[in-house]
Amino acid sequence: GEDVEQSLFLSVREGDSSVINCTYTDSSSTYLYWYKQEPGAGLQLLTYIFSNMDMKQDQRLTVLLNKKDKHLSLRIADTQTGDSAIYFCAEISGGGGNKLTFGTGTQLKVEL
Amino acid sequence: ETGVTQSPTHLIKTRGQQVTLRCSSQSGHNTVSWYQQALGQGPQFIFQYYREEENGRGNFPPRFSGLQFPNYSSELNVNALELDDSALYLCASSPGHADAYEQYFGPGTRLTVT
Repeated sequence: GEDVEQSLFLSVREGDSSVINCTYTDSSSTYLYWYKQEPGAGLQLLTYIFSNMDMKQDQRLTVLLNKKDKHLSLRIADTQTGDSAIYFCAEISGGGGNKLTFGTGTQLKVEL
Repeated sequence: ETGVTQSPTHLIKTRGQQVTLRCSSQSGHNTVSWYQQALGQGPQFIFQYYREEENGRGNFPPRFSGLQFPNYSSELNVNALELDDSALYLCASSPGHADAYEQYFGPGTRLTVT
């Protein structure tokens, strides 16, 4: 079955880069995602990458995908206090109604 | 803002009761998915509806049921509530069945079962 794993916590200083990592097991994943969740809020779709891509950049966000190792990462450049949140990695595979399978989330804390 | 709205925001129910949660999809989206997020966990897929038909279901018992209406708004119904049903319930809308890889979430309904 599908499984997505993330480290639980990351702390960085404001202005530094943050790198959040994720591993997944489903080799048939077609899309991989990063969502952001602030306290008491729903999920915000940050970015996603198709499985035949290695990298995607969107302003301060860079997504790297290593399909061989089933490893996904999200780099946030020039991290700001407003980036403090929980970040979820998720994957989707085509069968079963396009369900998203999420990791347990990485809590990013940005310190001054 | 995704344009996906959910009601109510918070709800407190007693074990054994029934609850209905509502979701209004983003304009033009005909696919809706529901997820349960327990405290400290990632969301878990409950089911998905496309054009009023169930299109995939996660590992949830039959007492979790849903409806999608012609205007693509949706309901999640949970019967015989249990304490473990306490969670944040999220709905997500997608532009279409083929585009269900783009899922935009609402703010959620926080359900507490006592």
